[in-house]
Amino acid sequence: DGGITQSPKYLFRKEGQNVTLSCEQNLNHDAMYWYRQDPGQGLRLIYYSQIVNDFQKGDIAEGYSVSREKKESFPLTVTSAQKNPTAFYLCASSVQGLSAFFGQGTRLTVV
Amino acid sequence: KQEVTQIPAALSVPEGENLVLNCSFTDSAIYNLQWFRQDPGKGLTSLLLIQSSQREQTSGRLNASLDKSSGRSTLYIAASQPGDSATYLCAVEVNYGQNFVFGPGTRLSVLP
Repeated sequence: DGGITQSPKYLFRKEGQNVTLSCEQNLNHDAMYWYRQDPGQGLRLIYYSQIVNDFQKGDIAEGYSVSREKKESFPLTVTSAQKNPTAFYLCASSVQGLSAFFGQGTRLTVV
Repeated sequence: KQEVTQIPAALSVPEGENLVLNCSFTDSAIYNLQWFRQDPGKGLTSLLLIQSSQREQTSGRLNASLDKSSGRSTLYIAASQPGDSATYLCAVEVNYGQNFVFGPGTRLSVLP
């Protein structure tokens, strides 16, 4: 089945630690996105990528980094510089003219 | 900067009612508009996509309309069922592959 897979579903981070969230898609979509969702708020864009080896900052990129070495993969690293990383993270992909597909999300908690 | 709002923030209706969810956006220069459903703790599921040149889309009991000039979209749900209970989000795509701007969502509860 085609879709987007995010892993892990739950992730715990200690203070000062970097963690990486995985996002893989087998839909052959060019564009991929990372969003953050906080309770009571809409989704906010962290980073997006339109093609391999290229990505752009979204509205809240500080404290995050990404890479796009393969079309299928768009991992997100939450660095120690992100002071309030506890949130629900959603990865998405799209192709021109069609609906966006979302993964099932990763819930990150700082312990 | 594009902003998206949704009214109401929450809605509770008895089973069988027809209902309308509203979405407004500030900049009419959009590529498309999508309605999504989100169940608690889950990702988003696309319900309907309306291209900027279209006026409406239908899927089963769902009908979405788009009025670009006034910056509005509505999602009509006919004969609501308890399984429709979820948060409904609308999002506008500013340009392909660049950004979806999301509204805060409408939390719908359909009571048996």
